[in-house]
Amino acid sequence: DILLTQSPSSLSASVGDTVTITCRASQSISSDLNWYQQKPGKAPKLLIFGASTLQSGVPSRFSGSGSGAGFTLTVSSLQPEDVGTYYCQQSYNVLVTFGQGTKVEIK
Amino acid sequence: QVQLQESGPGLVKPSQTLFLTCTVSGGSIDNGDSTWSWIRQPAGKGLQWIGRMFSNRKTNYSPSLKGRATISGDTSRNQFSLELRSVTAADTALYYCAAEHVVPDAFGWFDPWGQGTLVTVSS
Repeated sequence: DILLTQSPSSLSASVGDTVTITCRASQSISSDLNWYQQKPGKAPKLLIFGASTLQSGVPSRFSGSGSGAGFTLTVSSLQPEDVGTYYCQQSYNVLVTFGQGTKVEIK
Repeated sequence: QVQLQESGPGLVKPSQTLFLTCTVSGGSIDNGDSTWSWIRQPAGKGLQWIGRMFSNRKTNYSPSLKGRATISGDTSRNQFSLELRSVTAADTALYYCAAEHVVPDAFGWFDPWGQGTLVTVSS
């Protein structure tokens, strides 16, 4: 299996801050990396696919970058509604794996 | 737009079989642009992929389930189902079904997801 390691596991930031979450793969996965946001009590929601393509309807303050084994999700100007847990997921291998998640809170 | 809805019993006894169904609306499980997956999430923990079914009914499964899972489809009802045998307390989780958008020569991303259904394994 391809292991995905997210950092940090949790973070607390102020409204308006820029937040960066990293996802590192145990091997190169090209650009086959997707990001999801899960708000408390809700199903995960696709934010970014193919490492950097913003899903329709997702605010432009979310962006993704990276390729190979290192990827980043950036939230510029954090908003109160961005509270939740963020997961990366690789679609390079037939066997799907997710990162362990990064919990984002507002200070 | 495609919508998914899980259904099934919320309580299963240890050693028995868990059976869940996902009803798809706004799209067809026979559409080759998508595969159909089950994903679970134990309380307070992360996401665990269980397996997928292709439109041709071919399947892939996570090795962590050790052969206990079967995913199948019913075209007439536009549903796909999960059967998980010999369940234990470790199978207690929120179970989601999701559509996986496939791309040429690769797998894709999960969108949309169902709302999830809680399954508790307990006697």
